[in-house]
Amino acid sequence: RKEVEQDPGPFNVPEGATVAFNCTYSNSASQSFFWYRQDCRKEPKLLMSVYSSGNEDGRFTAQLNRASQYISLLIRDSKLSDSATYLCVVPRRGDSNYQLIWGAGTKLIIKP
Amino acid sequence: DAMVIQNPRYQVTQFGKPVTLSCSQTLNHNVMYWYQQKSSQAPKLLFHYYDKDFNNEADTPDNFQSRRPNTSFCFLDIRSPGLGDAAMYLCATSRGLAGQETQYFGPGTRLLVL
Repeated sequence: RKEVEQDPGPFNVPEGATVAFNCTYSNSASQSFFWYRQDCRKEPKLLMSVYSSGNEDGRFTAQLNRASQYISLLIRDSKLSDSATYLCVVPRRGDSNYQLIWGAGTKLIIKP
Repeated sequence: DAMVIQNPRYQVTQFGKPVTLSCSQTLNHNVMYWYQQKSSQAPKLLFHYYDKDFNNEADTPDNFQSRRPNTSFCFLDIRSPGLGDAAMYLCATSRGLAGQETQYFGPGTRLLVL
């Protein structure tokens, strides 16, 4: 089992709809989580950090379920510009620092 | 604006011909990272520098080397590129190595090996 797993998609969603996808992680000691957004052939950019039960920023909501070891990303009122790959990142604590474990991403396509 | 800059954006090299990719940052961050990303895959960390301390990932091939002559610049050297090294190479920075640190990415260099 991979340390961080995501459904690769693609999720094809009509504009204006609500979409949600999950990221499961195997390290129960993980305390913080990140969602990055990556547009086609571009670099990843931080979308949201999650340090407790969840976080909300406008149309985007991230929720953490520690018991089941997954974090979800919910996008409300989806826009065409939300089309991208969403990468889940989970820091893993090492001896002296943290290593970021990246999921392979979920591809989202918003259709008019 | 403070940022992470990568040059060139596209690099074409021949099989076995050494190539160097460059990264610079104006964020004054302590940590600089090099990632390799292939299509539909997660970014794969090759190595990182904390200041001048170099940290190589265990599975990074010897073919990949890095230099950080000062805080602002970091280079990725591929000594003998193979066809399998064709990928997007992403440079990133962060203030520190704590679990909550955000990484800031450059636009990447797309490497093609002929």
